[in-house]
Amino acid sequence: SAVISQKPSRDICQRGTSLTIQCQVDSQVTMMFWYRQQPGQSLTLIATANQGSEATYESGFVIDKFPISRPNLTFSTLTVSNMSPEDSSIYLCSVEDTREQYFGPGTRLTVT
Amino acid sequence: EDQVTQSPEALRLQEGESSSLNCSYTVSGLRGLFWYRQDPGKGPEFLFTLYSAGEEKEKERLKATLTKKESFLHITAPKPEDSATYLCAVQEAKSSYKLIFGSGTRLLVRP
Repeated sequence: SAVISQKPSRDICQRGTSLTIQCQVDSQVTMMFWYRQQPGQSLTLIATANQGSEATYESGFVIDKFPISRPNLTFSTLTVSNMSPEDSSIYLCSVEDTREQYFGPGTRLTVT
Repeated sequence: EDQVTQSPEALRLQEGESSSLNCSYTVSGLRGLFWYRQDPGKGPEFLFTLYSAGEEKEKERLKATLTKKESFLHITAPKPEDSATYLCAVQEAKSSYKLIFGSGTRLLVRP
């Protein structure tokens, strides 16, 4: 199974600023995903990040707010832009590997 | 609209007391049904993927089953270390990769 790491593991940010979250996988994967888990809730897909093409965003999420990069088959970044307290969540990277999806440890973001 | 509903929301068991968690789903076509375990402050840990009705998978004290409308996660003789939130997610055939998650079942196993 793929092993996924994320940086930072947690951060506290001021409203109006931006944070970039990094996701590193120990093997090459085609599909990478970014999910959000708001406090006390389950996971919601933000976007699918494909190498060599634009990310595909789910309804309710836009590129200006959550720009994504996917420079190669083992790495992706998610930026949370112009943050507000409502963006306080856990952000999770995941990958699909042989029809199974694995998740990283998450980045806990608090916006004050 | 695709939906995933998990029950119960919370479950308290005594150590050794077997039980089942339910995940009912509505999708136009199922590519796979996933079970995860999530501990507080951590990312979901993959447990099982089931692909077709009648399929069963086991791992230690856990056994997952699948029908055309629901999945069960059976926990046999649970231990306190099985305490966690168990998440169910479905993957639609038409969307290929997106996981639609249920709200989870919080399991507490008391010694």
